[in-house]
Amino acid sequence: DVKVTQSSRYLVKRTGEKVFLECVQDMDHENMFWYRQDPGLGLRLIYFSYDVKMKEKGDIPEGYSVSREKKERFSLILESASTNQTSMYLCASRARVVVYGYTFGSGTRLTVV
Amino acid sequence: DAKTTQPPSMDCAEGRAANLPCNHSTISGNEYVYWYRQIHSQGPQYIIHGLKNNETNEMASLIITEDRKSSTLILPHATLRDTAVYYCIGLKAAGNKLTFGGGTRVLVKP
Repeated sequence: DVKVTQSSRYLVKRTGEKVFLECVQDMDHENMFWYRQDPGLGLRLIYFSYDVKMKEKGDIPEGYSVSREKKERFSLILESASTNQTSMYLCASRARVVVYGYTFGSGTRLTVV
Repeated sequence: DAKTTQPPSMDCAEGRAANLPCNHSTISGNEYVYWYRQIHSQGPQYIIHGLKNNETNEMASLIITEDRKSSTLILPHATLRDTAVYYCIGLKAAGNKLTFGGGTRVLVKP
Protein backbone atom coordinates (compact mmCIF):
# COMPACT_ATOMS: atom_id res chain seq x y z
CA ASP A 1 0.00 0.00 0.00
CA VAL A 2 1.52 3.30 -1.07
CA LYS A 3 1.89 5.84 1.61
CA VAL A 4 3.14 9.11 2.94
CA THR A 5 4.59 8.77 6.41
CA GLN A 6 4.97 11.61 8.85
CA SER A 7 7.39 10.97 11.67
CA SER A 8 5.19 12.06 14.57
CA ARG A 9 1.45 12.14 15.18
CA TYR A 10 1.64 14.42 18.20
CA LEU A 11 4.39 16.80 19.19
CA VAL A 12 4.74 19.32 22.02
CA LYS A 13 7.52 21.88 21.79
CA ARG A 14 8.51 24.98 23.69
CA THR A 15 8.49 28.50 22.29
CA GLY A 16 11.79 29.29 20.61
CA GLU A 17 12.73 25.69 19.91
CA LYS A 18 13.81 24.59 16.45
CA VAL A 19 11.35 21.95 15.26
CA PHE A 20 11.79 19.39 12.50
CA LEU A 21 8.81 17.66 10.91
CA GLU A 22 9.76 14.78 8.66
CA CYS A 23 7.82 13.31 5.76
CA VAL A 24 8.70 10.30 3.64
CA GLN A 25 6.84 8.94 0.59
CA ASP A 26 7.37 5.63 -1.16
CA MET A 27 5.63 6.39 -4.46
CA ASP A 28 8.57 7.97 -6.30
CA HIS A 29 6.53 11.18 -6.57
CA GLU A 30 8.27 14.28 -7.82
CA ASN A 31 6.14 16.77 -5.94
CA MET A 32 5.83 17.11 -2.20
CA PHE A 33 3.92 19.61 -0.11
CA TRP A 34 3.55 20.89 3.41
CA TYR A 35 0.21 22.27 4.54
CA ARG A 36 -1.15 23.38 7.83
CA GLN A 37 -4.79 23.01 8.76
CA ASP A 38 -6.56 25.20 11.27
CA PRO A 39 -10.25 25.33 12.20
CA GLY A 40 -12.11 27.81 10.02
CA LEU A 41 -9.06 28.47 7.82
CA GLY A 42 -8.98 25.26 5.83
CA LEU A 43 -5.79 23.91 4.32
CA ARG A 44 -3.01 26.43 3.71
CA LEU A 45 0.09 25.72 1.66
CA ILE A 46 3.38 26.46 3.41
CA TYR A 47 5.99 25.17 0.96
CA PHE A 48 6.21 22.71 -1.86
CA SER A 49 8.97 21.03 -3.81
CA TYR A 50 8.85 19.74 -7.35
CA ASP A 51 12.27 18.12 -7.37
CA VAL A 52 15.21 17.27 -5.18
CA LYS A 53 16.81 20.42 -3.73
CA MET A 54 14.05 22.55 -5.27
CA LYS A 55 11.52 24.43 -3.18
CA GLU A 56 8.83 27.02 -3.69
CA LYS A 57 7.03 29.19 -1.19
CA GLY A 58 3.38 28.64 -0.69
CA ASP A 59 0.88 31.04 0.83
CA ILE A 60 2.27 31.18 4.36
CA PRO A 61 6.03 30.47 4.35
CA GLU A 62 6.96 32.95 7.08
CA GLY A 63 8.58 31.26 10.05
CA TYR A 64 9.18 28.03 8.14
CA SER A 65 11.84 26.53 5.93
CA VAL A 66 12.09 23.21 4.12
CA SER A 67 14.67 20.74 2.99
CA ARG A 68 14.56 18.15 0.24
CA GLU A 69 17.88 16.34 -0.06
CA LYS A 70 16.36 13.10 -1.33
CA LYS A 71 13.37 12.52 -3.57
CA GLU A 72 11.44 10.57 -0.98
CA ARG A 73 11.96 12.92 1.96
CA PHE A 74 10.65 16.45 2.56
CA SER A 75 11.30 18.13 5.87
CA LEU A 76 9.57 21.15 7.36
CA ILE A 77 11.57 23.24 9.79
CA LEU A 78 10.21 25.73 12.27
CA GLU A 79 13.23 27.91 12.90
CA SER A 80 11.98 29.28 16.22
CA ALA A 81 8.65 27.83 17.21
CA SER A 82 5.93 30.22 18.33
CA THR A 83 2.51 29.60 19.83
CA ASN A 84 0.78 30.72 16.62
CA GLN A 85 2.39 27.77 14.88
CA THR A 86 0.31 25.38 16.95
CA SER A 87 -1.56 23.50 14.26
CA MET A 88 -2.12 20.28 12.35
CA TYR A 89 0.64 19.85 9.76
CA LEU A 90 -0.04 17.73 6.72
CA CYS A 91 2.47 16.44 4.23
CA ALA A 92 1.33 15.37 0.77
CA SER A 93 2.88 14.10 -2.41
CA ARG A 94 1.77 13.64 -5.97
CA ALA A 95 3.14 12.67 -9.34
CA ARG A 96 4.24 15.41 -11.73
CA VAL A 97 0.88 15.39 -13.46
CA VAL A 98 -2.10 15.33 -11.16
CA VAL A 99 -3.81 12.22 -12.45
CA TYR A 100 -4.59 10.41 -9.25
CA GLY A 101 -4.52 13.33 -6.93
CA TYR A 102 -2.55 13.92 -3.81
CA THR A 103 -1.65 11.39 -1.17
CA PHE A 104 -1.59 12.78 2.33
CA GLY A 105 0.15 11.66 5.46
CA SER A 106 -1.73 11.17 8.71
CA GLY A 107 -0.73 14.58 9.97
CA THR A 108 1.31 15.89 12.89
CA ARG A 109 -0.53 17.80 15.55
CA LEU A 110 2.02 20.27 16.90
CA THR A 111 1.46 22.18 20.09
CA VAL A 112 3.85 24.99 20.95
CA VAL A 113 3.74 26.00 24.60
CA ASP B 1 -8.80 26.69 -9.38
CA ALA B 2 -12.60 26.69 -9.30
CA LYS B 3 -14.51 27.82 -6.24
CA THR B 4 -16.75 25.05 -4.97
CA THR B 5 -19.84 25.20 -2.80
CA GLN B 6 -21.07 22.35 -0.62
CA PRO B 7 -23.75 22.03 2.06
CA PRO B 8 -22.14 22.29 5.50
CA SER B 9 -23.57 19.07 6.85
CA MET B 10 -25.81 16.11 6.19
CA ASP B 11 -26.92 12.95 7.96
CA CYS B 12 -27.23 9.56 6.39
CA ALA B 13 -28.63 6.25 7.59
CA GLU B 14 -26.24 3.32 7.74
CA GLY B 15 -26.67 1.06 4.72
CA ARG B 16 -28.33 3.74 2.64
CA ALA B 17 -26.81 5.65 -0.24
CA ALA B 18 -25.35 9.06 0.59
CA ASN B 19 -25.56 11.67 -2.16
CA LEU B 20 -23.23 14.61 -1.65
CA PRO B 21 -23.74 17.60 -3.95
CA CYS B 22 -21.15 20.13 -5.05
CA ASN B 23 -21.52 23.27 -7.12
CA HIS B 24 -18.53 24.38 -9.18
CA SER B 25 -20.04 26.80 -11.68
CA THR B 26 -16.71 28.55 -12.38
CA ILE B 27 -14.83 25.39 -13.22
CA SER B 28 -12.68 25.70 -16.32
CA GLY B 29 -12.46 23.18 -19.10
CA ASN B 30 -9.16 21.71 -17.97
CA GLU B 31 -10.01 21.37 -14.32
CA TYR B 32 -10.81 18.00 -12.85
CA VAL B 33 -13.35 17.54 -10.08
CA TYR B 34 -11.73 15.78 -7.14
CA TRP B 35 -13.30 14.45 -3.99
CA TYR B 36 -11.43 13.88 -0.77
CA ARG B 37 -12.59 13.05 2.71
CA GLN B 38 -11.05 13.64 6.10
CA ILE B 39 -11.87 11.49 9.04
CA HIS B 40 -11.34 13.20 12.36
CA SER B 41 -7.66 13.83 13.19
CA GLN B 42 -6.41 12.10 10.05
CA GLY B 43 -5.01 13.36 6.77
CA PRO B 44 -7.33 13.82 3.78
CA GLN B 45 -7.98 10.71 1.74
CA TYR B 46 -8.48 10.66 -2.01
CA ILE B 47 -11.86 9.23 -3.07
CA ILE B 48 -12.41 9.79 -6.77
CA HIS B 49 -11.99 12.31 -9.56
CA GLY B 50 -13.42 13.03 -13.00
CA LEU B 51 -13.33 15.48 -15.87
CA LYS B 52 -16.49 15.03 -17.93
CA ASN B 53 -17.66 11.47 -17.65
CA ASN B 54 -19.20 9.76 -14.67
CA GLU B 55 -16.73 7.67 -12.73
CA THR B 56 -16.97 4.75 -10.34
CA ASN B 57 -14.42 3.02 -8.16
CA GLU B 58 -14.49 0.76 -5.14
CA MET B 59 -15.27 3.64 -2.82
CA ALA B 60 -17.80 5.79 -4.63
CA SER B 61 -19.40 7.03 -7.82
CA LEU B 62 -19.07 10.51 -9.24
CA ILE B 63 -21.80 12.02 -11.38
CA ILE B 64 -20.85 15.21 -13.25
CA THR B 65 -23.54 17.24 -14.99
CA GLU B 66 -23.20 17.78 -18.69
CA ASP B 67 -22.42 21.48 -18.25
CA ARG B 68 -19.86 20.54 -15.54
CA LYS B 69 -21.23 23.14 -13.17
CA SER B 70 -22.08 20.64 -10.48
CA SER B 71 -21.38 17.09 -9.41
CA THR B 72 -22.63 14.51 -6.93
CA LEU B 73 -20.57 12.03 -4.98
CA ILE B 74 -22.45 8.85 -4.21
CA LEU B 75 -21.48 6.51 -1.40
CA PRO B 76 -23.62 3.52 -2.34
CA HIS B 77 -23.95 1.85 1.06
CA ALA B 78 -22.82 4.20 3.80
CA THR B 79 -21.18 2.70 6.87
CA LEU B 80 -20.36 4.28 10.21
CA ARG B 81 -16.74 4.52 9.07
CA ASP B 82 -17.83 6.87 6.29
CA THR B 83 -18.50 9.58 8.89
CA ALA B 84 -16.10 12.34 7.80
CA VAL B 85 -15.81 15.74 6.19
CA TYR B 86 -16.05 15.46 2.41
CA TYR B 87 -14.36 18.00 0.18
CA CYS B 88 -15.05 18.75 -3.46
CA ILE B 89 -12.19 20.46 -5.28
CA GLY B 90 -11.51 21.74 -8.77
CA LEU B 91 -7.92 21.06 -9.75
CA LYS B 92 -5.89 21.50 -12.90
CA ALA B 93 -3.63 18.71 -14.06
CA ALA B 94 -0.50 20.67 -13.22
CA GLY B 95 -1.94 22.60 -10.31
CA ASN B 96 0.14 22.98 -7.19
CA LYS B 97 -2.26 24.61 -4.83
CA LEU B 98 -4.83 22.32 -3.32
CA THR B 99 -7.50 24.46 -1.70
CA PHE B 100 -10.08 22.83 0.52
CA GLY B 101 -13.28 24.73 1.16
CA GLY B 102 -15.54 24.09 4.11
CA GLY B 103 -16.64 20.69 2.88
CA THR B 104 -19.69 18.71 3.96
CA ARG B 105 -19.68 17.09 7.38
CA VAL B 106 -21.37 13.73 6.88
CA LEU B 107 -22.66 11.84 9.88
CA VAL B 108 -23.69 8.25 9.25
CA LYS B 109 -26.17 7.10 11.88
CA PRO B 110 -27.03 3.51 12.85
